[in-house]
Amino acid sequence: DIQMTQSPSTLSASVGDRVTITCRASQNINNWVAWYQQKPGKAPKFLIDKASRLQSGVPSRFSGSGSGTEFILTISSLQPDDFATYYCQQYRSYSTFGQGTKVEI
Amino acid sequence: EVKLVETGGGLVQPGGSVRLTCAASGLVVSDNYISWVRQTPDKGLEWVSIIYYSGSTYYADSVKGRFSVSRDNSKNSVYLQMNSLRLEDTAVYYCARDRNGSLTFDYWGQGTLVSVSS
Repeated sequence: DIQMTQSPSTLSASVGDRVTITCRASQNINNWVAWYQQKPGKAPKFLIDKASRLQSGVPSRFSGSGSGTEFILTISSLQPDDFATYYCQQYRSYSTFGQGTKVEI
Repeated sequence: EVKLVETGGGLVQPGGSVRLTCAASGLVVSDNYISWVRQTPDKGLEWVSIIYYSGSTYYADSVKGRFSVSRDNSKNSVYLQMNSLRLEDTAVYYCARDRNGSLTFDYWGQGTLVSVSS
């Protein structure tokens, strides 16, 4: 199984900050990575696939990068609506998710 | 507007069974890939099963042989039959639309909680 390791587990930030979340895969997964945002009591929201392709309706302050085994989600200027938990997901071989990064104030 | 609504969760004893329903509107389940994904505080998000538009089905190793996914086109619904339930199957179960069979999910239901406990 391909493991996905996110860091940090928790991130404290302020409105306007640039935020980066890292996800490392246990083996080469090319660019088969997606990112999701989840708020308490809600289902995950699909943000990015193929490591960097922003989904329709997702604000441009979100971006993704990386290939191979290391991937990054960047929020260029954190907004109040962005405080949530973020998950990476590999879909190179079936699917596995990272353990999540909680972005808090 | 696409909407997925899961029902059928609840408290079940170890070794018991439960069937979850995912009722869809705004999309036709027989034209889509529909997955079940579960979430626990400890293990996080875990893909469980998928049913293709063709009717093919696939399962995670953790549930293979115990869970079964099916659909009723007339009701535009997908089902997850869960047998031989274990304590570790306790989770919120989501159904989700997979656009192209890639196991990425653009529409999700609100989830239904299955608690396995004696």
